Amino acid sequence: KQEVTQIPAALSVPEGENLVLNCSFTDSAIYNLQWFRQDPGKGLTSLLLIQSSQREQTSGRLNASLDKSSGRSTLYIAASQPGDSATYLCAVSTQGGSEKLVFGKGTKLTVNP
Amino acid sequence: DGGITQSPKYLFRKEGQNVTLSCEQNLNHDAMYWYRQDPGQGLRLIYYSQIVNDFQKGDIAEGYSVSREKKESFPLTVTSAQKNPTAFYLCASSGQGNSPLHFGNGTRLTVT
Repeated sequence: KQEVTQIPAALSVPEGENLVLNCSFTDSAIYNLQWFRQDPGKGLTSLLLIQSSQREQTSGRLNASLDKSSGRSTLYIAASQPGDSATYLCAVSTQGGSEKLVFGKGTKLTVNP
Repeated sequence: DGGITQSPKYLFRKEGQNVTLSCEQNLNHDAMYWYRQDPGQGLRLIYYSQIVNDFQKGDIAEGYSVSREKKESFPLTVTSAQKNPTAFYLCASSGQGNSPLHFGNGTRLTVT
């Protein structure tokens, strides 16, 4: 059974710092991996989707990498801002289609001004 | 603007009552999903539908029911058989192929 772990559960950093969020999964036979952002009391917003054949994806200050063989993904946030404060979740798809997504519990990020 | 609308944002019900949560999308997506989110836990899939008039149980379907009579709409009914209905419910949709999941802003259900 696929399990997704995100460590740490919470992270607090000063504004301007570059940071890395971690996601690990137990079964390397994945279809894709997605990173989401969730603000308090809101739904999830898709940030990046990495297909199993890709090594990384970039969007603005965000860069996500994928190492299937080691069962790891990282989300790199450059020059963090207070507006980046949110919970970040990763999810892996074990088959084609989002119905097979397995979510981690998330990392709550606080960026202090 | 395209998106997913969930209503209401907050819902309060007495124990023993059925309640229906609304989810509407105008993204022209075929697939729609219902997730439940509890504090300290990851999202758990309740039901999903890949096409109109068809839906499948997810990991925690007991005590819930859905319908998919229109492409745009996927309502979720929380029945009195659901033992712990108080939670944050999220509706999502996705297009074909390797496309990301789009979420609504959720409905927080409190049953007392």
